[in-house]
Amino acid sequence: NAGVMQNPRHLVRRRGQEARLRCSPMKGHSHVYWYRQLPEEGLKFMVYLQKENIIDESGMPKERFSAEFPKEGPSILRIQQVVRGDSAAYFCASSPKEGTPGNTIYFGEGSWLTVV
Amino acid sequence: KQEVTQIPAALSVPEGENLVLNCSFTDSAIYNLQWFRQDPGKGLTSLLLIQSSQREQTSGRLNASLDKSSGRSTLYIAASQPGDSATYLCAVSTDSWGKFQFGAGTQVVVTP
Repeated sequence: NAGVMQNPRHLVRRRGQEARLRCSPMKGHSHVYWYRQLPEEGLKFMVYLQKENIIDESGMPKERFSAEFPKEGPSILRIQQVVRGDSAAYFCASSPKEGTPGNTIYFGEGSWLTVV
Repeated sequence: KQEVTQIPAALSVPEGENLVLNCSFTDSAIYNLQWFRQDPGKGLTSLLLIQSSQREQTSGRLNASLDKSSGRSTLYIAASQPGDSATYLCAVSTDSWGKFQFGAGTQVVVTP
């Protein structure tokens, strides 16, 4: 059973370009979460999605950032018109049905975005 | 707003010593608390999950306790090994199952 797969692992973008980060959850998992780890800072929650629904986007910056989890295919975190402050590690996590006893959340290896 | 604090920020011990990592949180109304390990440039590996109704969890050399009333959790690692060197993160879920508030982590170095 493959883990949470993120790609690309490393991405370099020039200021003003778009960055697209993809996340395939573990098989059987229907909940996806995105987190951001800025340099010298802790992990911060960004958004929680289920298939075709955004459940909680309270941690998403108001502009330039969007996320989706379509019926088919991976979840995508999209950053438009990137700025240097967007340089960070972006982690995706997945879990099975909420509230199932004993379930845990699994993280991917992360996507490291560098804006030059 | 939930705040999670980890003490100490860094810890260096000789191989064989026991490790004690502390985590405190301000809002006791939690779904669960999870301890993670993060190696440099890598993702997070879940170590132990403690649900709100539980007081401790054990896995091999690892034991984690949870005291919701005092807002504390402690991770014990017995007989530390150089391979235990990593950053250990405490995370608390309050709103929903996978939405965590993370502590800043404790960076552990175990010297041979």
